[in-house]
Amino acid sequence: DTAVSQTPKYLVTQMGNDKSIKCEQNLGHDTMYWYKQDSKKFLKIMFSYNNKELIINETVPNRFSPKSPDKAHLNLHINSLELGDSAVYFCASRKGVSDNSPLHFGNGTRLTVT
Amino acid sequence: DAKTTQPPSMDCAEGRAANLPCNHSTISGNEYVYWYRQIHSQGPQYIIHGLKNNETNEMASLIITEDRKSSTLILPHATLRDTAVYYCIVRAWNTGNQFYFGTGTSLTVIP
Repeated sequence: DTAVSQTPKYLVTQMGNDKSIKCEQNLGHDTMYWYKQDSKKFLKIMFSYNNKELIINETVPNRFSPKSPDKAHLNLHINSLELGDSAVYFCASRKGVSDNSPLHFGNGTRLTVT
Repeated sequence: DAKTTQPPSMDCAEGRAANLPCNHSTISGNEYVYWYRQIHSQGPQYIIHGLKNNETNEMASLIITEDRKSSTLILPHATLRDTAVYYCIVRAWNTGNQFYFGTGTSLTVIP
């Protein structure tokens, strides 16, 4: 069983479109994250949710809107896509927010904006 | 969170031990050391973490110096599948601080 799963794996779209990426974890974790990895391979945190509540927003443009319908899911909706949004987006989860539990990552969604 | 310093790249012969160093000279008492690796655009994979004692699991060993200012990840018998970028991260366990990934060490295991 995949612990943290993301869909789709690949997403190719045109500038100006709106798209969503879905993430689900079956680990029973309370905290979920979105990370972005750009072409230079730098992995940067975007958002963090704990029990469906937003706890971290790392100065991400408000075209990006995360939504957590329950603590096992964290989806990412992106409006008005730009070329610079092309990247690999990783979802991750961990048990709590203030403990020493490690992050567990999904296998990523490669977004290409043309 | 304390910053970490890692060599940008290393090579290791297949079957030999790979020793990956990490400096975290400004680490605080409540900060754990975590190691992750990323194999060619897959999701980062958790390897091991520790506070001050040495740790071992089925993947690797983590050796933390007594002053906690540096650590070494040891892959005891490197295989070609261990070729990856390895990230050392320090994070305070009892805060909401996040996991910040640096540039890591690109390990190449040579046949």
